[in-house]
Amino acid sequence: DGGITQSPKYLFRKEGQNVTLSCEQNLNHDAMYWYRQDPGQGLRLIYYSQIVNDFQKGDIAEGYSVSREKKESFPLTVTSAQKNPTAFYLCASSKSATNEKLFFGSGTQLSVL
Amino acid sequence: AQSVTQLGSHVSVSEGALVLLRCNYSSSVPPYLFWYVQYPNQGLQLLLKYTSAATLVKGINGFEAEFKKSETSFHLTKPSAHMRDAAEYFCAVRTDTGRRALTFGSGTRLQVQP
Repeated sequence: DGGITQSPKYLFRKEGQNVTLSCEQNLNHDAMYWYRQDPGQGLRLIYYSQIVNDFQKGDIAEGYSVSREKKESFPLTVTSAQKNPTAFYLCASSKSATNEKLFFGSGTQLSVL
Repeated sequence: AQSVTQLGSHVSVSEGALVLLRCNYSSSVPPYLFWYVQYPNQGLQLLLKYTSAATLVKGINGFEAEFKKSETSFHLTKPSAHMRDAAEYFCAVRTDTGRRALTFGSGTRLQVQP
């Protein structure tokens, strides 16, 4: 079945630690996105990638990093510089950057120990 | 820059009653507008979208939305609520200029009372 897979479902971070959230899609989509969801704030864009080997900052990129070395994969690293990382992280993909139908993964809940 | 504002973080209706979820947008160029729904512990899925064709857009599960340029609104409606409609609903906007990614509103949680 085609889809977008995020792992792990739950992740815990110790202070000063970097953690990486995985996002893989087998839909052959060019564009991929990372959003952060906090209660009452909706979804805020962290990073997005319109094509492999290219990515752009969203509204809240500070403290995060990404790579897009393969079309299928768009991992997000939450660095120690992100002082408030506890949130629900959603990865999405779309056929192209101009196609508005986003396919979402089921999310990763990150918490700080 | 584009943005959307969703009025009311929580809306509660009785089963069978009209559902009205409000969304107003801000954009200096013609916008593309969307409604997404999120069921508990899941990702989002597209309900409907407006892309400059008909101003009344019909989506899945009996939902529809009307684009009103004069009011800069794109409210979501459903004539008769079902229990299964209980979820969080997000309005989103994109334009053809600038950033090619959706900007989401803060969401409205819909409760349906029996």
